[in-house]
Amino acid sequence: DTGVSQDPRHKITKRGQNVTFRCDPISEHNRLYWYRQTLGQGPEFLTYFQNEAQLEKSRLLSDRFSAERPKGSFSTLEIQRTEQGDSAMYLCASSLLATTGELFFGEGSRLTVL
Amino acid sequence: GNSVTQMEGPVTLSEEAFLTINCTYTATGYPSLFWYVQYPGEGLQLLLKATKADDKGSNKGFEATYRKETTSFHLEKGSVQVSDSAVYFCALDQSGGYQKVTFGTGTKLQVIP
Repeated sequence: DTGVSQDPRHKITKRGQNVTFRCDPISEHNRLYWYRQTLGQGPEFLTYFQNEAQLEKSRLLSDRFSAERPKGSFSTLEIQRTEQGDSAMYLCASSLLATTGELFFGEGSRLTVL
Repeated sequence: GNSVTQMEGPVTLSEEAFLTINCTYTATGYPSLFWYVQYPGEGLQLLLKATKADDKGSNKGFEATYRKETTSFHLEKGSVQVSDSAVYFCALDQSGGYQKVTFGTGTKLQVIP
């Protein structure tokens, strides 16, 4: 399967711990996005990369959040010192530069902070 | 800033009923408009899109027309099936190649036999 894959699919952690999510985009896609989705809400933009460059970060992305995309391939999203309010589904999507708004999403990584 | 407002769900319909899910938007310039669908246990996927005023996007029997004068992009289907049960998200992408897609809150559709 050559779609967007995310790992892990589910993560349960205690408050204060660090967690890291990985996203492998569709191989030829040069843009990669992270979104967060809470119950009953639509996805909220967190950050995006064009190749290895992180071009924008949302104000939702506090200093405890960091994202990387080394070599313009896979990406990681790390949350340090997790809080209960971080509990959400973290979605990764990728796209081609030329295709406006056509995002290809993974199935998401669900984070539960106890 | 950009925003999308869509009707709250859940929407429950009988099979073969007519579906409308309302969506309105606020944006500067001329955004592209989208409907994404999320089936149970799956990731979001693009259902249809329209990139300029009066364009009609269509796919799998669903249609939506980009109405600039009413800033709307309502989703319609003439005859829904049980397999259409999903959450539907209206979204916009601000023009200029920026590609930061803004989503609505989603509308859950349940179709009963």
